[in-house]
Amino acid sequence: GEDVEQSLFLSVREGDSSVINCTYTDSSSTYLYWYKQEPGAGLQLLTYIFSNMDMKQDQRLTVLLNKKDKHLSLRIADTQTGDSAIYFCAERGNDYKLSFGAGTTVTVRA
Amino acid sequence: GAGVSQSPSNKVTEKGKDVELRCDPISGHTALYWYRQSLGQGLEFLIYFQGNSAPDKSGLPSDRFSAERTGGSVSTLTIQRTQQEDSAVYLCASSLGAGTIAKNIQYFGAGTRLSVL
Repeated sequence: GEDVEQSLFLSVREGDSSVINCTYTDSSSTYLYWYKQEPGAGLQLLTYIFSNMDMKQDQRLTVLLNKKDKHLSLRIADTQTGDSAIYFCAERGNDYKLSFGAGTTVTVRA
Repeated sequence: GAGVSQSPSNKVTEKGKDVELRCDPISGHTALYWYRQSLGQGLEFLIYFQGNSAPDKSGLPSDRFSAERTGGSVSTLTIQRTQQEDSAVYLCASSLGAGTIAKNIQYFGAGTRLSVL
């Protein structure tokens, strides 16, 4: 199957920006997603980007896509304690299947 | 319902027993997906339903795993003769359809945490 890789942990100070990185291997990816999972909860869709876009901004979230390098990032501005969670990168090819990374655990420290 | 609902939220069972996990998708969503999340790993696709039929069962890890969906709504994932390696969080998601982006946003339930002793 397609590989999606993420770093496992990120620690950030409250108020700073967080950047979570993801790489994928499927060159036919059409859409890429970021999901957030809080303890004991399901996955919540944060944002997604179509593969012909380079950037998408939504309030504190900025998604950057480098299709040539198959690299996706999520920047969270002014990180808050409520942003502590696991963040999953996922990609979709030409069908319905999503391939997920292992998730990045973001810890926000005061 | 307002969101995807899964039950039970936690299940502890003994090795060798059968378990049934239930998923209630968002009303009107025709597509339903089961995933497995093992500790420290990403989500592993298990099976996909479009309506009541399962065009893709490729992710089911063994013939001990089966799933059905009735009335285009509720789905049940059954694991027979559970093994310790089946311990994981089983997540269900639903979407309006499986085509364009608007239809394929998958909404997830909170999952069932299965522990096989």
